[in-house]
Amino acid sequence: AQSVTQLGSHVSVSEGALVLLRCNYSSSVPPYLFWYVQYPNQGLQLLLKYTSAATLVKGINDFEAEFKKSETSFHLTKPSAHMSDAAEYFCAVSSNDYKLSFGAGTTVTVRA
Amino acid sequence: EPEVTQTPSHQVTQMGQEVILRCVPISNHLYFYWYRQILGQKVEFLVSFYNNEISEKSEIFDDQFSVERPDGSNFTLKIRSTKLEDSAMYFCASLDWTLDEQYFGPGTRLTVT
Repeated sequence: AQSVTQLGSHVSVSEGALVLLRCNYSSSVPPYLFWYVQYPNQGLQLLLKYTSAATLVKGINDFEAEFKKSETSFHLTKPSAHMSDAAEYFCAVSSNDYKLSFGAGTTVTVRA
Repeated sequence: EPEVTQTPSHQVTQMGQEVILRCVPISNHLYFYWYRQILGQKVEFLVSFYNNEISEKSEIFDDQFSVERPDGSNFTLKIRSTKLEDSAMYFCASLDWTLDEQYFGPGTRLTVT
């Protein structure tokens, strides 16, 4: 069975500062990993995905994530936070039938 | 850009009533999913659907739940007799298997009173 653990339920950063959201996965097979963002009162939007190609994955809005098999991690970063990045972020892993298992989510607030 | 749509956006119902949540997946997608998110908790998988039948379901998806694709466009989730604990946001998703990406609808907030 696949699962992910997101470390930190809430992250607060200053505008312009680095955003780092942590995700560790557990999987018995090579995983597909995803980061989704949820803005208030909206659905889930895919930020980026890892599907066994390049280990450094670039997504929308300057987000990127690095797959590290040795650490079973898939942390999400953005070099410079913007006010519009305030949202909830979910890490997810999928199995062979593409079913997604989500982490508990990390809420990001951005201070001016 | 094609998108997944869901109706209604908010449904209020009394305990014991039946509800049907509706979704229109992206037209050329073949795999469909329902997930739910209880307030303050993680998004949980409920059921996946392919080729007009359930391919996998979670422990949450008991006999009170059913899914159907009644025509070529709609994908519905029915809860036969709602309980207070069914109050949640329900998300529909459809899969572009060529990209391994699921596209989510905006969700239906179900409130059971």
